[in-house]
Amino acid sequence: AAGVIQSPRHLIKEKRETATLKCYPIPRHDTVYWYQQGPGQDPQFLISFYEKMQSDKGSIPDRFSAQQFSDYHSELNMSSLELGDSALYFCASSPPSPTGQSGYTFGSGTRLTVV
Amino acid sequence: AQSVTQLDSQVPVFEEAPVELRCNYSSSVSVYLFWYVQYPNQGLQLLLKYLSGSTLVKGINGFEAEFNKSQTSFHLRKPSVHISDTAEYFCAVSMGSNYKLTFGKGTLLTVNP
Repeated sequence: AAGVIQSPRHLIKEKRETATLKCYPIPRHDTVYWYQQGPGQDPQFLISFYEKMQSDKGSIPDRFSAQQFSDYHSELNMSSLELGDSALYFCASSPPSPTGQSGYTFGSGTRLTVV
Repeated sequence: AQSVTQLDSQVPVFEEAPVELRCNYSSSVSVYLFWYVQYPNQGLQLLLKYLSGSTLVKGINGFEAEFNKSQTSFHLRKPSVHISDTAEYFCAVSMGSNYKLTFGKGTLLTVNP
């Protein structure tokens, strides 16, 4: 079965650079969520999109922006990177009722290292 | 606001012993509860979820959890653990129509031979 695809799997950037993370949801899933998991931390909700519109916003820094495209894939853009942005970034997708049978499906994550 | 408390940050057990990982949540509305497992350097895998109905939920890998509304708990149990169960376990809650997940801080389960 198709899963949530995230790219790249690993990314190394220098401070003050820009990074773009991509997420391809499961077919027919129209909602995408982004989470950030720092070293030894629990995942923190950043932002979500439903039908290409932002549906909820969490603790996402102003330096970050995201969008969902017409094919439902999503991109997380991160500018002026800081050392503290080093983390595992998860994307999840769900159909309109994520607490139903399908529920959330997480991607394998993108590990961002800022040096 | 929704919150989840995992009462134990680390739980060491011996192989084939039973284990319980504790999770409490706070909410004034109906909740949906989840347990995820994360192996080192990997993503989040859903173990089980409670949406409604029977309060005893069975998941993958022999895990089960019981939803207790009066105690606002959703403890995870396994009658006999294996070395391969060593991982970080996260309890999560979703409330309302926004569907975002709020995670607990995680419990590191270490199964020793």
